[in-house]
Amino acid sequence: DTAVSQTPKYLVTQMGNDKSIKCEQNLGHDTMYWYKQDSKKFLKIMFSYNNKELIINETVPNRFSPKSPDKAHLNLHINSLELGDSAVYFCASSQVGNQPQHFGDGTRLSIL
Amino acid sequence: GESVGLHLPTLSVQEGDNSIINCAYSNSASDYFIWYKQESGKGPQFIIDIRSNMDKRQGQRVTVLLNKTVKHLSLQIAATQPGDSAVYFCAEPDNAGNMLTFGGGTRLMVKP
Repeated sequence: DTAVSQTPKYLVTQMGNDKSIKCEQNLGHDTMYWYKQDSKKFLKIMFSYNNKELIINETVPNRFSPKSPDKAHLNLHINSLELGDSAVYFCASSQVGNQPQHFGDGTRLSIL
Repeated sequence: GESVGLHLPTLSVQEGDNSIINCAYSNSASDYFIWYKQESGKGPQFIIDIRSNMDKRQGQRVTVLLNKTVKHLSLQIAATQPGDSAVYFCAEPDNAGNMLTFGGGTRLMVKP
């Protein structure tokens, strides 16, 4: 059983396009997250979301927006894609508080 | 605070030897730390965690040591195996326990 699943695994698109990445978790967790991993493997939090609040890392451009249709899903929408958006994006989930986060296998986004 | 590495340090060990991966953190108020393992093409996988009221915690072949005095964390892997080859990250939640700050990662290479 896949705990946190993301689609697509690879996404290749042109600069200026709008794209979405989907994430689903079947762990019953309250909180979901999006991370960006650059080419140097540095992992950076983008968003944290539960049914009460969205916490945004202030360095994330407003072209990025998370959308949660329900507790088990947190999708990432990206408008007007730029070359610097090329990275691997990871979705994660956890229970509230200091609990381990469980990660999906990532979506590799490549901007041409 | 966060411990951010601009480069990805590499630790190369012989199969069967013990490995020690180190991590420094800067937020003295941090009370929870997590180690993750990331294999190529996969998302970070939870290995072990430790709370600040402990100095040591053991899992299967892994031990985490916490030295709050010098704000240092280490992951020890006993009898390292080829399957242990991966990038290892330490991470700490923010004060609200919402978002993880990751260290820069260490690549472990196991020579057969």
